[in-house]
Amino acid sequence: DAGVIQSPRHEVTEMGQEVTLRCKPISGHNSLFWYRQTMMRGLELLIYFNNNVPIDDSGMPEDRFSAKMPNASFSTLKIQPSEPRDSAVYFCASSFRLSGTYNEQFFGPGTRLTVL
Amino acid sequence: AQSVTQLGSHVSVSEGALVLLRCNYSSSVPPYLFWYVQYPNQGLQLLLKYTTGATLVKGINGFEAEFKKSETSFHLTKPSAHMSDAAEYFCAVSDQGVSGGYNKLIFGAGTRLAVHP
Repeated sequence: DAGVIQSPRHEVTEMGQEVTLRCKPISGHNSLFWYRQTMMRGLELLIYFNNNVPIDDSGMPEDRFSAKMPNASFSTLKIQPSEPRDSAVYFCASSFRLSGTYNEQFFGPGTRLTVL
Repeated sequence: AQSVTQLGSHVSVSEGALVLLRCNYSSSVPPYLFWYVQYPNQGLQLLLKYTTGATLVKGINGFEAEFKKSETSFHLTKPSAHMSDAAEYFCAVSDQGVSGGYNKLIFGAGTRLAVHP
């Protein structure tokens, strides 16, 4: 299995620019998660999709952040405009959700974002 | 609301020594508990998990953890550290599928383990 694929692995941009992070979940998985990791706040869940539908976006920090999942094999996290405080590592994770059981999340390698 | 506290942001041990990484949780419902490991520039990998049943759980790479409800703890141990164990370790808690109908993971701040020759 290829695992969860994220691109790019590293992104350096200037303040005010639009940034798009991409994720391909594991084939057959129906749940997708976006996390952000920073030194100050640790690992935080930004948004959770189930069957391509956003279920919980309470972790999205502000309107500058948006996420989409147009189909089961692709998701994007967009920041527009970007700010230096958005610098972090962004992880995508996927799982196969079966009601009533624990569903292990498999993490991608992350995208390290630096906003200058 | 669930929360996780990892005692010690950095732990240093000698190769061959016991590894003990501490984790305490807070949960209003019986929890699911996890340990993840993160190697440099990589994503998180599940080491082990407790859902139900036996309170001593064994994971990959010789790690194990014991769920102690009375102490609200889920400490991670390994009898003999290896250089390759150097990484960051995260404890996480999830309610049993109650919150929003899915297993939302709440992570601790992480403990960086250094192993010295």
